[in-house]
Amino acid sequence: SQTIHQWPATLVQPVGSPLSLECTVEGTSNPNLYWYRQAAGRGLQLLFYSVGIGQISSEVPQNLSASRPQDRQFILSSKKLLLSDSGFYLCAWSVQGTREAFFGQGTRLTVV
Amino acid sequence: EDQVTQSPEALRLQEGESSSLNCSYTVSGLRGLFWYRQDPGKGPEFLFTLYSAGEEKEKERLKATLTKKESFLHITAPKPEDSATYLCAVHDYKLSFGAGTTVTVRA
Repeated sequence: SQTIHQWPATLVQPVGSPLSLECTVEGTSNPNLYWYRQAAGRGLQLLFYSVGIGQISSEVPQNLSASRPQDRQFILSSKKLLLSDSGFYLCAWSVQGTREAFFGQGTRLTVV
Repeated sequence: EDQVTQSPEALRLQEGESSSLNCSYTVSGLRGLFWYRQDPGKGPEFLFTLYSAGEEKEKERLKATLTKKESFLHITAPKPEDSATYLCAVHDYKLSFGAGTTVTVRA
């Protein structure tokens, strides 16, 4: 069966520090991969999606970037965190050609 | 412009008290409506996909229905373990989520 791993679960980082969140999927090949951010009381906002290695689409201009160095690995990065980057970050995957997305357990990022 | 609107924002139910959650959407080319359950501090858990008006899906005490402009998630005889935030999403070229309905079921 397919599983998605996302870490760390919680992270507290100072303003101006770099960020790297990692997500890996097991049990499937060539998945679509997504990064979402969830703010309190609001819906999930799609940040990036990828349909293949090295292929990244950005939905929202921001202080973040994403990379997909391997088929089942998706990384969310920032060179310098802002206070406004605080939030709950979720990685998700879907099978190519389908639309149901399956989520990881999320990373709670607090920028102080 | 919001594509997905969920109501109510919060719902408090007594155990066994059935109720419905609403999800209205404005996308023109619907390619699927999705329901998820999210527990506090966790990622959303996939529940249902609905593709066409009139379609219904059931899972335990949950039943999802779809019309041309909205979807309902019916919770029949809820139990405390049904307490969660229920998210609705629609797919045109990407998944767009509503803000969710937080359901609290008291024993």
